Amino acid sequence: NAGVTQTPKFQVLKTGQSMTLQCAQDMNHEYMSWYRQDPGMGLRLIHYSVGAGITDQGEVPNGYNVSRSTTEDFPLRLLSAAPSQTSVYFCASSPPGLSTDTQYFGPGTRLTVL
Amino acid sequence: GDSVTQMEGPVTLSEEAFLTINCTYTATGYPSLFWYVQYPGEGLQLLLKATKADDKGSNKGFEATYRKETTSFHLEKGSVQVSDSAVYFCALSKGSWGKLQFGAGTQVVVTP
Repeated sequence: NAGVTQTPKFQVLKTGQSMTLQCAQDMNHEYMSWYRQDPGMGLRLIHYSVGAGITDQGEVPNGYNVSRSTTEDFPLRLLSAAPSQTSVYFCASSPPGLSTDTQYFGPGTRLTVL
Repeated sequence: GDSVTQMEGPVTLSEEAFLTINCTYTATGYPSLFWYVQYPGEGLQLLLKATKADDKGSNKGFEATYRKETTSFHLEKGSVQVSDSAVYFCALSKGSWGKLQFGAGTQVVVTP
């Protein structure tokens, strides 16, 4: 198993540009989520999905869109990039249903918005 | 709302020293508690977890005990190695679907 994969690893955007961060998992996990990591703030939840066709907002959803058309993929879209979205983005997945379950993280995408 | 507070870093230690990273939480109900570790240039990976009061999680020489009376989950290791240099995150999760609430992270630097 490849686990959780993310592309690209690095990206530089100009203010106002849009882009999609890709996330895929091959573990047949129902639950997937996106976090952003900023210095001194830990990881904050952006959006999450409990299964194909079902998404919901996390703590910091503004400026981001998600969709979940398949169990495997959970892309994150930046509609109009802003410097405040400069961050490291992590995708995670886990089996369904239990708060005790381990979440599996991808290697991250480092995004810089100029 | 729920929150996790952990000690600020960086924490700099010599090899074979004792490591403690303090973590306290605020939450209603009965959260599960986790320590995740992030090695340089990598994503987070689970280090250990505890799901109820007085449980002790352990892995790779690290230990943490879920203390409900003090709402704490401090991470300890008796003898650190250079390879333990990383950022350590304390986190909680409760209810279904396990959304994680993270602390700010503590960077640990171990020197030879």
